[in-house]
Amino acid sequence: GENVEQHPSTLSVQEGDSAVIKCTYSDSASNYFPWYKQELGKRPQLIIDIRSNVGEKKDQRIAVTLNKTAKHFSLHITETQPEDSAVYFCAASPGGYQKVTFGTGTKLQVIP
Amino acid sequence: SAVISQKPSRDICQRGTSLTIQCQVDSQVTMMFWYRQQPGQSLTLIATANQGSEATYESGFVIDKFPISRPNLTFSTLTVSNMSPEDSSIYLCSVPGTSGDEQFFGPGTRLTVL
Repeated sequence: GENVEQHPSTLSVQEGDSAVIKCTYSDSASNYFPWYKQELGKRPQLIIDIRSNVGEKKDQRIAVTLNKTAKHFSLHITETQPEDSAVYFCAASPGGYQKVTFGTGTKLQVIP
Repeated sequence: SAVISQKPSRDICQRGTSLTIQCQVDSQVTMMFWYRQQPGQSLTLIATANQGSEATYESGFVIDKFPISRPNLTFSTLTVSNMSPEDSSIYLCSVPGTSGDEQFFGPGTRLTVL
């Protein structure tokens, strides 16, 4: 089955700096790569996703990149703010109602 | 996206007992998913619940321990049976988005087993 690895497990950045979280996956059948943000005591929220026919996608201060050949995908957050502090999970799926496999999570702390 | 609710939001239970968690969606969905999130850990899929058929369980999860019902297209229950402290986790249901790719989560049920 699919295996998703995520790095780093913790990340501290100064407010205004950028943060990058990297994931790798194992199953070449995976075509859909979502990112979730989970604040303390809250449910995971889908913040951005990318599909295998796209190399990069941006939404304001967040962007995701995908290298399907290398089976790598990354989340980039620019101009970080304290409210970005949370645990971020990457995930991979073949799409189409099939199983989503989650990475181990990255705890991001943005220091004011 | 769909509005998803779960009951109870939290509970403290004694070992050996069972707890049934409810998941309600405000629109009809073909599939519902049940996840476990152990303290400080990632999300692990327990099973996929389809209306009108038996749930499909992931490796390491069995029906006797986690029986699931799916009586209609807007509702599902997960029972955690014969609980032990190792079952202390957050249990979340999720439903797919309109494309079938995305998953949206309910607020979760925080279970503590003493």
